[in-house]
Amino acid sequence: GQQLNQSPQSMFIQEGEDVSMNCTSSSIFNTWLWYKQDPGEGPVLLIALYKAGELTSNGRLTAQFGITRKDSFLNISASIPSDVGIYFCALSYNNNDMRFGAGTRLTVKP
Amino acid sequence: DTEVTQTPKHLVMGMTNKKSLKCEQHMGHRAMYWYKQKAKKPPELMFVYSYEKLSINESVPSRFSPECPNSSLLNLHLHALQPEDSALYLCASSPEALAGAYEQYFGPGTRLTVT
Repeated sequence: GQQLNQSPQSMFIQEGEDVSMNCTSSSIFNTWLWYKQDPGEGPVLLIALYKAGELTSNGRLTAQFGITRKDSFLNISASIPSDVGIYFCALSYNNNDMRFGAGTRLTVKP
Repeated sequence: DTEVTQTPKHLVMGMTNKKSLKCEQHMGHRAMYWYKQKAKKPPELMFVYSYEKLSINESVPSRFSPECPNSSLLNLHLHALQPEDSALYLCASSPEALAGAYEQYFGPGTRLTVT
């Protein structure tokens, strides 16, 4: 089956530091999505990527769709306490079927 | 309106109860989804409705019964659940497209506890 690997599993950083996380897949996909989930809430869409090589920003967040179409990374610059949460990458490959990575749990120390 | 709403927010039910989870969106999206999420795990797809027809059932036990009364509403009927079914149940919607990934928008979820 499709393999979707997300790393790191967790990160503990100081406020103001930059963060990077990534996802790799065993197959080529046309779209990468990045979500953030706060405790007890639903995932919130941060960035959607549709073209290989595409680099997209949303405030302090930047994500790129890898040239090979098998990977993507998400960067957060100058982290703040409200960046705390779980970040998921996601892919879908047919008929609206979407799969999530295992998630990266981010902790930001003030 | 860019929201997906879900009710109730919390639900506690016994193993012999029958209950329903409700989801609503008014974004004109034609695909709606149910996910199950256990603690510290990613959401797992359960069902997909496309144009009000069930298009994906990820081998979900029959004690979970989805229903899509119209393009804005999605229900999940629960009957004879087990304690291991306790989880956060998430609803999502997306614009329909022919192929590829879709930007799915999630509701806040229903926290279900089965006693």
